[in-house]
Amino acid sequence: SQTIHQWPATLVQPVGSPLSLECTVEGTSNPNLYWYRQAAGRGLQLLFYSVGIGQISSEVPQNLSASRPQDRQFILSSKKLLLSDSGFYLCAWSVGQGQGSPLHFGNGTRLTVT
Amino acid sequence: RKEVEQDPGPFNVPEGATVAFNCTYSNSASQSFFWYRQDCRKEPKLLMSVYSSGNEDGRFTAQLNRASQYISLLIRDSKLSDSATYLCVVEHSGYSTLTFGKGTMLLVSP
Repeated sequence: SQTIHQWPATLVQPVGSPLSLECTVEGTSNPNLYWYRQAAGRGLQLLFYSVGIGQISSEVPQNLSASRPQDRQFILSSKKLLLSDSGFYLCAWSVGQGQGSPLHFGNGTRLTVT
Repeated sequence: RKEVEQDPGPFNVPEGATVAFNCTYSNSASQSFFWYRQDCRKEPKLLMSVYSSGNEDGRFTAQLNRASQYISLLIRDSKLSDSATYLCVVEHSGYSTLTFGKGTMLLVSP
């Protein structure tokens, strides 16, 4: 069966520090991969998605970036965090080539920028 | 019009009640629809897909009205464990992405 791992679960970082969140999927090949953010009391906002290695689509201009160095690995990064980057970051996967497939989420990373 | 709009919450219901969630979407070309459940401070989890003919899974019934661009979720015989936020999700037509509504919180009380 497919599993998705996301870490760390919780992170407290000062303003201006770098960020790296990692996500890996097991049990499937060529998945679509996604990064979402959920700010306190708000809905899920799609940040990035990828349909293949090295292919990244950005939905929201910001100081975050994403990379997909391997088929089942998705990384979210920032060179300098802002206070507004605080939130609940969720990695997700869906079946590749399957438009309209449901998303399956990792456990999420709760980021607090201080 | 927002892409995916849900009833504002929270809904407070007693155990055993029937509760209905409504959702409207703006893109008439959307083809896939889902309901997710999100517990407090947890990741969203797929509750059920929504099919054109309507579908049922135990106490949960989902319906789709394409003409009105409207989706619903009915929960019968509510349990305490049903307390959560319910998210309406619509495929972003032509792309490999889904758009989430802001969710409606359900609180089931004894």
